[in-house]
Amino acid sequence: GQNIDQPTEMTATEGAIVQINCTYQTSGFNGLFWYQQHAGEAPTFLSYNVLDGLEEKGRFSSFLSRSKGYSYLLLKELQMKDSASYLCAVRDRTAGNKLTFGGGTRVLV
Amino acid sequence: DGGITQSPKYLFRKEGQNVTLSCEQNLNHDAMYWYRQDPGQGLRLIYYSQIVNDFQKGDIAEGYSVSREKKESFPLTVTSAQKNPTAFYLCASSTRTGDNEKLFFGSGTQLSVL
Repeated sequence: GQNIDQPTEMTATEGAIVQINCTYQTSGFNGLFWYQQHAGEAPTFLSYNVLDGLEEKGRFSSFLSRSKGYSYLLLKELQMKDSASYLCAVRDRTAGNKLTFGGGTRVLV
Repeated sequence: DGGITQSPKYLFRKEGQNVTLSCEQNLNHDAMYWYRQDPGQGLRLIYYSQIVNDFQKGDIAEGYSVSREKKESFPLTVTSAQKNPTAFYLCASSTRTGDNEKLFFGSGTQLSVL
């Protein structure tokens, strides 16, 4: 099975930077996704990492270390509209490439 | 515009009743998924289908049933055997090609028990 951990809630001020960590344990890692979900709405795709390193997309960046089973999502220049839950999800090739989601981190700006 | 449509947005179930949640996509995606989300929690996989006329149980399939008779449609039935059905249900789809296939989600159905 898989175990994905991320903090439950984080609070930050406008213009600040917040880093949301995600740790995972999986036998057949095949990619990690970050999604943003506003309350009562559908999750929307933010980023995808399968190789070690940093992926940058505007104000959002995502980092992956496969050897450590660790990823983070970095949100820069926080805006009020960034208040949402951020979901970390891991794909496991030994589980039919299904995505398993963490509990999500609620960010309050 | 292409996308995934879930209906209804809100649904109420009486004791002992079966209810069906609709999910339709016009993205020409082969794979479709149903997730359940409880307040303050992540998504848990109920059922998924990689191709028409085939589907597999996810992590919490008990009390649910699905069908995949058409590529565009993947309805979920919440049966009376599901004793705690109140949750937010999300349908998603993806292509099958490539490992970076991301999920596209519908807008969700909030199911409550009367």
